[in-house]
Amino acid sequence: QMQLQESGPGLVKPSETLSLTCAVSGYSITSDYYWGWIRQPPGKGLEWIGSISHSGRTYYNPSLKSRVTISIDTYNNQLSLRLNSVTAADTAVYYCARDVRSAQHYWGQGTLVTVSS
Amino acid sequence: QSDLTQPPSAAGSPGQSVTIPCTGTSSDVGGYNYVSWYQQHPGKAPKLMIYEVSKRPSGVPDRFSGSKSGNTASLTVSGLQAEDEADYYCGSQADSKVVFGGGTKVTVL
Repeated sequence: QMQLQESGPGLVKPSETLSLTCAVSGYSITSDYYWGWIRQPPGKGLEWIGSISHSGRTYYNPSLKSRVTISIDTYNNQLSLRLNSVTAADTAVYYCARDVRSAQHYWGQGTLVTVSS
Repeated sequence: QSDLTQPPSAAGSPGQSVTIPCTGTSSDVGGYNYVSWYQQHPGKAPKLMIYEVSKRPSGVPDRFSGSKSGNTASLTVSGLQAEDEADYYCGSQADSKVVFGGGTKVTVL
């Protein structure tokens, strides 16, 4: 059974770079599908960050495009997220998910990232 | 402010039905048959309940159904049960991105 697990620092300082990884087990991420990141600020709704195809094509939320990079690590079968120049507004639970025609069928459990000095 | 509009709350008694609308534009909900619905319990990750407007993933009860008319999609939960109390979010393809609604809290009275 396929599983996704996010990991990374829970605390990032303002202006620094947020880096997260999503380990995928039970399926090779280079076989098919899109893989994406979604975030949810505390007490608020979902925001799509972006996604990457199994072949490496990326799509980003225009509101974050200048600061975000999503990549695939084929050797470790994991997905990565980098978000530059973070502020308190980037504090959120970050989820990775498998995307099929814009629907996220499988989700990780999420990881809370707090931006604070 | 979210791209798709949902009412903040909805409620129904056990056994009743509740319908949640999700209003967008011709650039998202109205332009694609790629509307999805997610259920989220407190402290948990969202769970896909409906995809491609009206399809149910394996394991989702047939009490959950989806539809679309023009720029508005809807999720109907029939035969409400206590465990259906949760937040529900709609999502849609929108050009080369995905947009979500602000969420609707469903209360089982």
